[in-house]
Amino acid sequence: RKEVEQDPGPFNVPEGATVAFNCTYSNSASQSFFWYRQDCRKEPKLLMSVYSSGNEDGRFTAQLNRASQYISLLIRDSKLSDSATYLCVVSHGSGNTGKLIFGQGTTLQVKP
Amino acid sequence: GAGVSQSPRYKVAKRGQDVALRCDPISGHVSLFWYQQALGQGPEFLTYFQNEAQLDKSGLPSDRFFAERPEGSVSTLKIQRTQQEDSAVYLCASSPVGGTDRSYNEQFFGPGTRLTVL
Repeated sequence: RKEVEQDPGPFNVPEGATVAFNCTYSNSASQSFFWYRQDCRKEPKLLMSVYSSGNEDGRFTAQLNRASQYISLLIRDSKLSDSATYLCVVSHGSGNTGKLIFGQGTTLQVKP
Repeated sequence: GAGVSQSPRYKVAKRGQDVALRCDPISGHVSLFWYQQALGQGPEFLTYFQNEAQLDKSGLPSDRFFAERPEGSVSTLKIQRTQQEDSAVYLCASSPVGGTDRSYNEQFFGPGTRLTVL
């Protein structure tokens, strides 16, 4: 079983739709949480960090539930340019090297 | 400004050949990471350097994989006697401070080297 689990999709949605991605992590020592975006044949790029209080960046909202070890990403008013793979990522606590542990990624395809 | 660069961008090797993949991190970045990304999967950690010291190599899949960063800047990932299962994209990432810092520092990824072993 992978340490970070995601539904690989693909999620096919029309423009303007709201879509939600979820992931779970198994290591309770995880301290930092992120969503990365990866376009086809490109490198991953940080989309946003995820905090227990929840955080929002424009059309994107991320939530963390430490008790359930569950992370979510909500995208409102989807755009064609949101089509990409979304990677759920965790990092362990202090004393760790800071290495990132990635989920498999969830593919989103936004259609006109 | 210049980001992380990697070379070559594409490499085709015959099974059994040795390959060397280069990473040029962002100037002044202390931390350097190597990840391996198989098709359809997320990146998986291989090894970590803080300056020239290799502090974590727990992700290297076998003793055929070797990484170095002798002057604390450019890093090379070497794979000896390549096998078909080594086919993947090899990503390098750098970060401005040491990984033991309590606060997270964003890792900036290079474009990767796509290795195909025939």
